[in-house]
Amino acid sequence: QKEVEQNSGPLSVPEGAIASLNCTYSDRGSQSFFWYRQYSGKSPELIMSIYSNGDKEDGRFTAQLNKASQYVSLLIRDSQPSDSATYLCAVRTNAGKSTFGDGTTLTVKP
Amino acid sequence: KAGVTQTPRYLIKTRGQQVTLSCSPISGHRSVSWYQQTPGQGLQFLFEYFSETQRNKGNFPGRFSGRQFSNSRSEMNVSTLELGDSALYLCASSFGGTSGGALHEQFFGPGTRLTVL
Repeated sequence: QKEVEQNSGPLSVPEGAIASLNCTYSDRGSQSFFWYRQYSGKSPELIMSIYSNGDKEDGRFTAQLNKASQYVSLLIRDSQPSDSATYLCAVRTNAGKSTFGDGTTLTVKP
Repeated sequence: KAGVTQTPRYLIKTRGQQVTLSCSPISGHRSVSWYQQTPGQGLQFLFEYFSETQRNKGNFPGRFSGRQFSNSRSEMNVSTLELGDSALYLCASSFGGTSGGALHEQFFGPGTRLTVL
């Protein structure tokens, strides 16, 4: 079992729709959770971080965390073609190790 | 505030050679992590340095090593290069520290594209 698993993708949604990206992790001691966006040929950029159970909203992005289910998700509302990218889920354990999922590629069609 | 910088941006080496990559973190950041990214393996953690000490290490052979200087700049060295070492090497910096949360939000540099022939 991988330490961090994401939807295999690719995910395609029409412009204006909600894109839902999911991530599960295996280490129950994980405390910090991050979502990065990576455009083709570019390096990852941090878009959201979440540390407590529940929802955290930032503009069109909402991160959701459920530690009991070891599940973290990212919702993108009113998806735009510029949101087309690979989204990486990252988890940091109490031991200080950061692990990334393989990423989900999102395509938003105009 | 300047971002994370990495040099060189591109590198071509032959098998058996060694290479040194450099990373300058965001001012004030004391933690530097290194990652290898390939199409087949995704983003793989190499190691993390904080205050000149290696704090965590991934599952890479001993040919991969690193160090951090007192100004938080970090270097990564790969000896006896193999064809499979061809990848994008990314460095990321954060404030670090023993507490959790935002101290560990990582900001990535543009990467060094290494090609081994």
